[in-house]
Amino acid sequence: NAGVTQTPKFQVLKTGQSMTLQCAQDMNHEYMSWYRQDPGMGLRLIHYSVGAGITDQGEVPNGYNVSRSTTEDFPLRLLSAAPSQTSVYFCASSYSFQSNQPQHFGDGTRLSIL
Amino acid sequence: EDQVTQSPEALRLQEGESSSLNCSYTVSGLRGLFWYRQDPGKGPEFLFTLYSAGEEKEKERLKATLTKKESFLHITAPKPEDSATYLCAVQSVSGGYNKLIFGAGTRLAVHP
Repeated sequence: NAGVTQTPKFQVLKTGQSMTLQCAQDMNHEYMSWYRQDPGMGLRLIHYSVGAGITDQGEVPNGYNVSRSTTEDFPLRLLSAAPSQTSVYFCASSYSFQSNQPQHFGDGTRLSIL
Repeated sequence: EDQVTQSPEALRLQEGESSSLNCSYTVSGLRGLFWYRQDPGKGPEFLFTLYSAGEEKEKERLKATLTKKESFLHITAPKPEDSATYLCAVQSVSGGYNKLIFGAGTRLAVHP
């Protein structure tokens, strides 16, 4: 039972490079989201999706793009990496956006921007 | 503005020493309050959802309670394996079902 799978687990980038963080879920969940976690701060919502083809911005969307072409996958793209994007990134999913069902999280991608 | 504050930031307990973690919130209207456990290097793991003041949920040594302004996570006779960071999050009416607002967490260390 895989749940939410994130790859890679670790990544080091140079300033200005681009990359895609992968997220896949096998629970047929409608709702998927990306958070970043920084020391001393709560998880902050970057982008979310309520279904295939539908995405919207969260609290801290600048510098990130998302798309959702399938129910299972929700990749997060860093367009031009900056040191301020050094963080741990978590993908989460839940059954439906029209409920308060708990979100299930992956184990994160630890990203360092030099 | 919706806000969630957890206290204390860190807590050290001896095995068997019961205590409580606090999550205070300011939201326009509460849809749900969630407690998660996070182990080092892992993602948050769901523990409880509370929906209305007066509600309580229990799981093993953990008991979560909810008032109109705060939630408590009571840990009874903790064991070293309860060591983790505990996160609180709320869904508000203004934020909708789509947005969870997280507190910064309480790091709990239980020593034998």
